[in-house]
Amino acid sequence: EVVLTQSPATLSLSPGEGATLSCRASQSVSSFLAWYQQKPGQAPRLLIYDVSNRATGIPARFSGSGSGTDFTLTISSLEPEDFALYYCQHRSNWPLTFGGGTKVEIK
Amino acid sequence: QLQLQESGPGLVKPSETLSLTCTVSGGSISSGLYWWGWIRQPPGKGLEWIGSIHSGGSINYNPSLKSRVTISVDASKNQFSLKLNSVTAADTAVYYCAGPRSTGDHWFDPWGQGTLVTVSS
Repeated sequence: EVVLTQSPATLSLSPGEGATLSCRASQSVSSFLAWYQQKPGQAPRLLIYDVSNRATGIPARFSGSGSGTDFTLTISSLEPEDFALYYCQHRSNWPLTFGGGTKVEIK
Repeated sequence: QLQLQESGPGLVKPSETLSLTCTVSGGSISSGLYWWGWIRQPPGKGLEWIGSIHSGGSINYNPSLKSRVTISVDASKNQFSLKLNSVTAADTAVYYCAGPRSTGDHWFDPWGQGTLVTVSS
């Protein structure tokens, strides 16, 4: 089973600042990694798939990068609606797994 | 536009079977080569993949739940279902069904709104 470790657990930033979230895999997942955003009381929403492709309707301030075992989600300039939980997920093999999440909170 | 909606009891007794249904609208569950999934989230915790079923019939389960889980499709009702038996308090969670972003991949988009299932006597 691929274990996905996200860091940091919490990121405290101000609107307008940039955010860098990390997801590290216990073994290579090639380019089969996605990122989701979850707001309180809501279902997760797909942001990025296959490392760097934005899902439909996702603003350009969200970008993904990486390969193999190390991946990054970057938010170039935080908007008020971006303060949320973020999860990574792989699909390189079964079972599918999610990272433990990073909370981006308002400083 | 694809939409998913979970339904089922919100309260299940310990040792009994949790049963949920996901109704798909805006598209046919049996058209195309799609994977449909179930994911859960215990209160205040992260996401756990439960299992996925392919429109062609293949099924994959999380090994940690495999002995207790059954996922099936009812194409005539455009639904897929989850059964989890011998539940305990540890199975208390918000259960989500999710559809495929595209043919053949396992990225979940869209998601249902989720339904809270509490295991308690």
